[in-house]
Amino acid sequence: SQTIHQWPATLVQPVGSPLSLECTVEGTSNPNLYWYRQAAGRGLQLLFYSVGIGQISSEVPQNLSASRPQDRQFILSSKKLLLSDSGFYLCASKTSGSREQFFGPGTRLTVL
Amino acid sequence: AQSVAQPEDQVNVAEGNPLTVKCTYSVSGNPYLFWYVQYPNRGLQFLLKYITGDNLVKGSYGFEAEFNKSQTSFHLKKPSALVSDSALYFCAVRAVRSGGSYIPTFGRGTSLIVHP
Repeated sequence: SQTIHQWPATLVQPVGSPLSLECTVEGTSNPNLYWYRQAAGRGLQLLFYSVGIGQISSEVPQNLSASRPQDRQFILSSKKLLLSDSGFYLCASKTSGSREQFFGPGTRLTVL
Repeated sequence: AQSVAQPEDQVNVAEGNPLTVKCTYSVSGNPYLFWYVQYPNRGLQFLLKYITGDNLVKGSYGFEAEFNKSQTSFHLKKPSALVSDSALYFCAVRAVRSGGSYIPTFGRGTSLIVHP
């Protein structure tokens, strides 16, 4: 079964600073990968998804970007953080053999 | 377009009583349906799914869900609630034919509170 790692677990950053959140997946190959943001502990907002290396689709225009430099690595970045970027960021993976997604433990980002 | 409605922000139930968390969906064609649970400051954990076949699906931790095509519902149930079941529950739907992205739509979540 696959395991999804996210780091860091928590992060406090000043407004205007850069961001890099990393997600790595073990136990599978060529997964679909997703970045979600969860604000106020409720609904999930899909930010980006990737069906393969270097292939990124953005769901909403925003201050963030994503990259997939390796098959099982998905990175969420920003050049300059905004207060509104605060939230709980979740990485998810779906393999070709399953229909459900599996989620990582999340990163709590606070922008001050 | 596909959508999910979880009409209750919060469900309160006494320990030992049965619980139901409601979910209705809208999708073109046949659906894949999912339930996830989220504990505070954790990622979502997969509970169960409906793909095809039996309308009653059994999942982890004693949970089950019933697919009702005519009512487009997929309510989550458990015969006897535990205090440890208190968490945030998400329903999700995806059309069977949805292209290579396989992106599900999630509900807003329902907070389940089980009282001792």
